Amino acid sequence: QVQLQQWGAGLLKASETLSLSCAVYGGSFSGYYWSWIRQLPGQGPEWIGEINHSGSTNYNPSLQSRVTISVDTPKKQFSLKVNLMTAADTAMYYCVREVAVGPGRDHWYFDLWGRGTLVTVSS
Amino acid sequence: SYEVTQPPSVSVSPGQTASVTCSGDKLGDKYVSWYQQKPGQSPVLVIYQDNKRPSGVTERFSGSNSGNTATLTISGTQTLDEADYYCQAWDSTTALFGTGTMVIVL
Repeated sequence: QVQLQQWGAGLLKASETLSLSCAVYGGSFSGYYWSWIRQLPGQGPEWIGEINHSGSTNYNPSLQSRVTISVDTPKKQFSLKVNLMTAADTAMYYCVREVAVGPGRDHWYFDLWGRGTLVTVSS
Repeated sequence: SYEVTQPPSVSVSPGQTASVTCSGDKLGDKYVSWYQQKPGQSPVLVIYQDNKRPSGVTERFSGSNSGNTATLTISGTQTLDEADYYCQAWDSTTALFGTGTMVIVL
């Protein structure tokens, strides 16, 4: 059974950098894309960005200027960094497996979510 | 930028059919996925590519997508189906999620 285990600091001060990591246990790493998705309190999920095993990335334009996603394929891990955090970034952050199939991006979907890390930014 | 919208809540009696809609301009030209989220839990995929069910998801969940509206249908709704449901589509290479619908089983 595939599991995603994520970790990182959950309490930050304004202007600090968020660093989260996610490890994949029990399944293929190279056959998928890997995403970070956050959920602000009381809101729907917001996709942050994605990476594949070779390091190809794609980011949400709304966050792109502050976000870096990286991968360590031998360790089956991927990581998220978000610079200049503010209170508006307070949210639950999830690492997510993304199924990249079919002839186009439209066919892709998110089939496995980690437990999430609650990140609180104090001003 | 592209947006998908959902009604805030849908109420249904046990055993009846619940329909959750997701609206967007020409949404029928895109594939839609649906996610169920119960309080304090991570989202779970229940429908992908408009109408496909992942292994392990009950047949009571079905999906359709045409015109400007995608619909998640829950047949024979049970109390355990009470949750928030989110639709998701792609705007080019950016994943977009709907605002979410709370399904209330009365």
